[in-house]
Amino acid sequence: QVQLVQSGAEVKKPGASVKVSCKASGYTFTTYGLSWVRQAPGQGLEWMGWISAYYGNTRYSLNLQGRVTMTTDTSTKTAYMELRSLRSDDTAVYYCVREGQNGDYVFFQHWGQGTLVTVSS
Amino acid sequence: DIQMTQSPSSLSASVGDRVTITCRASQTINTYLNWYQQKPGKAPKFLIYGASTLQSGVPARFSGSGSGTDFTLTISSLQPEDFATYYCQQSYSDFRTFGQGTRVEIK
Repeated sequence: QVQLVQSGAEVKKPGASVKVSCKASGYTFTTYGLSWVRQAPGQGLEWMGWISAYYGNTRYSLNLQGRVTMTTDTSTKTAYMELRSLRSDDTAVYYCVREGQNGDYVFFQHWGQGTLVTVSS
Repeated sequence: DIQMTQSPSSLSASVGDRVTITCRASQTINTYLNWYQQKPGKAPKFLIYGASTLQSGVPARFSGSGSGTDFTLTISSLQPEDFATYYCQQSYSDFRTFGQGTRVEIK
């Protein structure tokens, strides 16, 4: 079965960077795109961006462009999300999400367990 | 970005009630609308795609409808395990966006 296993919780100071990993199993890694979605405490879901696991091309939310980089390592079937210049409002649970597709419809089918990133001085 | 607005933000209902959640897009998205359920401390669960197609394994008491800008998620007979927060999400644009969520609470 599809599994996305993310790295553990992080505590960072304002201005620092964080890199979260997401190891995939149970499917052909390069067949599907991966998105990253975050959720601040008590808040809703925010889409951060997407990466093609096959080509490596990316799309980033305009809110985060310039601070976020998404990459993949096809040899280890692992996706990475790096967020720089961290602020307190970046405190959130970060999810990696594998897409599913049926015809033209694309959806967030499989979710990682989430990684809590806390930004605090 | 396409803005997604859900209503209500929260509702209280009893087991057995019929519940309807509305999602409105800021521009037409045809039927490129997905729904998710999230329980506290858990990752969201994918429920519906294409506005009305249930993901495999999702109980038939869930249904979705709509096209263009206006969509609904209906739970025909609320069960104890359905108390959760529900999110709509558009996949019309490559820049995906979610609604702010609707919390379904026990009355």
